[in-house]
Amino acid sequence: QKEVEQDPGPLSVPEGAIVSLNCTYSNSAFQYFMWYRQYSRKGPELLMYTYSSGNKEDGRFTAQVDKSSKYISLFIRDSQPSDSATYLCAMGNYGGATNKLIFGTGTLLAVQP
Amino acid sequence: NAGVTQTPKFRILKIGQSMTLQCTQDMNHNYMYWYRQDPGMGLKLIYYSVGAGITDKGEVPNGYNVSRSTTEDFPLRLELAAPSQTSVYFCASMDRYNQPQHFGDGTRLSIL
Repeated sequence: QKEVEQDPGPLSVPEGAIVSLNCTYSNSAFQYFMWYRQYSRKGPELLMYTYSSGNKEDGRFTAQVDKSSKYISLFIRDSQPSDSATYLCAMGNYGGATNKLIFGTGTLLAVQP
Repeated sequence: NAGVTQTPKFRILKIGQSMTLQCTQDMNHNYMYWYRQDPGMGLKLIYYSVGAGITDKGEVPNGYNVSRSTTEDFPLRLELAAPSQTSVYFCASMDRYNQPQHFGDGTRLSIL
């Protein structure tokens, strides 16, 4: 079993739709969680970063973490064609100085105008 | 502020050739990382460094070497290129413990 599972998609939605992207994980030691957005032929850029269970909102984006279920989600409201990209979840744990992140394989999202 | 800069952006190598992928960051970050990204496989950690002079292996280090002589630079060396090393390589840096990693735009490497 992979430490982090993410549906690769592709996910195609119409402009204005609410998008839900999800990851599950198996390692209960993970304590912080991130979502990165990656446009074609570019590096990943950080979207959201959270330490705790619950919701964190930033504009049209909401990150949700449920540590008891080992499940994280990213919601995009009022999706725009410019949101079309691959979304990567990533997670890590405290302890040690290495700060190695474990990444999901990414979900490809296409928002149709 | 340039962030993390990787060169070259693209490269084609022949089997058995060697090359160095360059990575430099101007944020004075101590932590630096090299990943490879293959279709459907996510990002795999090759090597990382927690400061100048200190490096360690990640998940997939075979066929690669690194050095970290300065805080700014973290080059990745391929000694004997093999087709299995065809990939997109990303360098990342991080400021402090448990902070997000910042990525460069990658080097696309094909080995034929």
